[in-house]
Amino acid sequence: DAKTTQPTSMDCAEGRAANLPCNHSTISGNEYVYWYRQIHSQGPQYIIHGLKNNETNEMASLIITEDRKSSTLILPHATLRDTAVYYCIVRVVQTGANNLFFGTGTRLTVIP
Amino acid sequence: EADIYQTPRYLVIGTGKKITLECSQTMGHDKMYWYQQDPGMELHLIHYSYGVNSTEKGDLSSESTVSRIRTEHFPLTLESARPSHTSQYLCASSEIGYGYTFGSGTRLTVV
Repeated sequence: DAKTTQPTSMDCAEGRAANLPCNHSTISGNEYVYWYRQIHSQGPQYIIHGLKNNETNEMASLIITEDRKSSTLILPHATLRDTAVYYCIVRVVQTGANNLFFGTGTRLTVIP
Repeated sequence: EADIYQTPRYLVIGTGKKITLECSQTMGHDKMYWYQQDPGMELHLIHYSYGVNSTEKGDLSSESTVSRIRTEHFPLTLESARPSHTSQYLCASSEIGYGYTFGSGTRLTVV
């Protein structure tokens, strides 16, 4: 699976949009971009995933650049409960082992 | 509402004891996983299963063992707990094309 690079930490004001970047310059054509988050002491929570088109669900939006070498997770109106570590992962969906490599992620702190 | 359940949530146990961490899911997923995570650190895959009677070791060497006799159940066992086993253990399940669903984890402390 391709390696990803994320900033170690970010702050965001409550109510504002949080934009979390991820670089995945070695992504291959059949690898998807997944985003998870982990709130302190809990199991990671799936947020969204995409291949090349932008995606939106009730939690967030995922913007993938045309060359697919980077993406941005957008939380449109951040709340204090969005404070968590956010992981960007790229992987082939049909991979035999099918396991996720989480890396260190971005620690997002939403400030009141 | 959780579809994957881990028990116990917290466990403090003495060195040398045998323990089993339980994980059950109600989604009918074939694939299940155990991850180990120390506080503030990355998740490491220690075991996974593609289905009943299928188990494999993950990327991180672990002295634990797993079994998969039923689709919904994927317990992890430590035959003789040691302080080095102190960690958080996270269970997850998935289907192809969808994200993983994680349990709330078991925080194990071996004294």
